[in-house]
Amino acid sequence: QQQVKQSPQSLIVQKGGISIINCAYENTAFDYFPWYQQFPGKGPALLIAIRPDVSEKKEGRFTISFNKSAKQFSLHIMDSQPGDSATYFCADARVRGGKLIFGQGTELSVKP
Amino acid sequence: DADVTQTPRNRITKTGKRIMLECSQTKGHDRMYWYRQDPGLGLRLIYYSFDVKDINKGEISDGYSVSRQAQAKFSLSLESAIPNQTALYFCATSDSQPRGGAGYTFGSGTRLTVV
Repeated sequence: QQQVKQSPQSLIVQKGGISIINCAYENTAFDYFPWYQQFPGKGPALLIAIRPDVSEKKEGRFTISFNKSAKQFSLHIMDSQPGDSATYFCADARVRGGKLIFGQGTELSVKP
Repeated sequence: DADVTQTPRNRITKTGKRIMLECSQTKGHDRMYWYRQDPGLGLRLIYYSFDVKDINKGEISDGYSVSRQAQAKFSLSLESAIPNQTALYFCATSDSQPRGGAGYTFGSGTRLTVV
């Protein structure tokens, strides 16, 4: 079973700071790499995703950076806000297999 | 109404009991999935189904079984519950071309405690 390894497990950031979460994947092709956001009592919801032929994707304060040679991708949350406090999961979305394989999750707490 | 509905939301059961978790969807998606969430382990795939006649094991299927009763319904059973099956369970659906992870919809989860 191919894996996605995510770090850190937990992260505390001050309001206005930058939150950075990293993921490493195994050697696969034709996959997408989404990030999911989960609030307490809710299921995960797609936040942002990147294709492997793109090195960076930005949506508002959220940016994915993709390093294909290092087999890593990361989520940057700029100007972090208390409302961003949630659990974040990276995932490997198998286009051919049709499954989502998740990382271990990062619990982000943004302090006022 | 939610697109993906899971019942019950919370359940406490005793070791050795049989329990069924139910999932129904109004998305019209063909594909349905059951995941288990544990702290520090993320979400792990238990079973998935790409259509009514297709059932596949995920990475942690031991101790679980599923039934796809209709396109919109996918249930997960624990034949004889044990304490290490205490977890948060999620049902998810996707269309046949879930590019970028955008085509997946998750339910709100069932918190199961086995005592």
